[in-house]
Amino acid sequence: SQQGEEDPQALSIQEGENATMNCSYKTSINNLQWYRQNSGRGLVHLILIRSNEREKHSGRLRVTLDTSKKSSSLLITASRAADTASYFCATATTSGTYKYIFGTGTRLKVLA
Amino acid sequence: GAVVSQHPSWVICKSGTSVKIECRSLDFQATTMFWYRQFPKQSLMLMATSNEGSKATYEQGVEKDKFLINHASLTLSTLTVTSAHPEDSSFYICSAPQTGISYEQYFGPGTRLTVT
Repeated sequence: SQQGEEDPQALSIQEGENATMNCSYKTSINNLQWYRQNSGRGLVHLILIRSNEREKHSGRLRVTLDTSKKSSSLLITASRAADTASYFCATATTSGTYKYIFGTGTRLKVLA
Repeated sequence: GAVVSQHPSWVICKSGTSVKIECRSLDFQATTMFWYRQFPKQSLMLMATSNEGSKATYEQGVEKDKFLINHASLTLSTLTVTSAHPEDSSFYICSAPQTGISYEQYFGPGTRLTVT
């Protein structure tokens, strides 16, 4: 399977703390995206980072990309109970087919 | 941003029947759409790539005769689960890239299929 891996699989933190999730992938990519999914719901796009970018910010989110290590991280600062969800990375290969492969996901629980 | 819809949002069917799920791009054209399935507490697994005007491309291990895909127009792709069984119960999600603008995918809200 081409599926990427994320760690940790599950993370439980207190409100106000930062949460860091990591994603590793196997093939050369065009870009990498992070998504959030609340239980039983659809996906919410969080951020896209292209292969020639190293870091990107969006509000309380910070994403880094290290193509040499084939890894990315998502940092959520000052977490809130509403951030409780599953987070997935998805990579688009360089083959030009737009095909996305999802990581295994991290289940984040933010305790109030 | 671009919007992708799915219909129905949930469906319950009896074992042995077929179920059709629609995926529509509402404000853009999509020559390619993707179908994923997701089991509880697991990640999304790509099932197939739906191509407008040609046959779908299935991922390894996905039965093409079981999961029929038709990309009828530039805004509509359908997934038909034929002769459904309880093990087909899952969350099915489609997505479409807004071709030419970016590789960003736009996801539908998903369809929860329960086969009894």
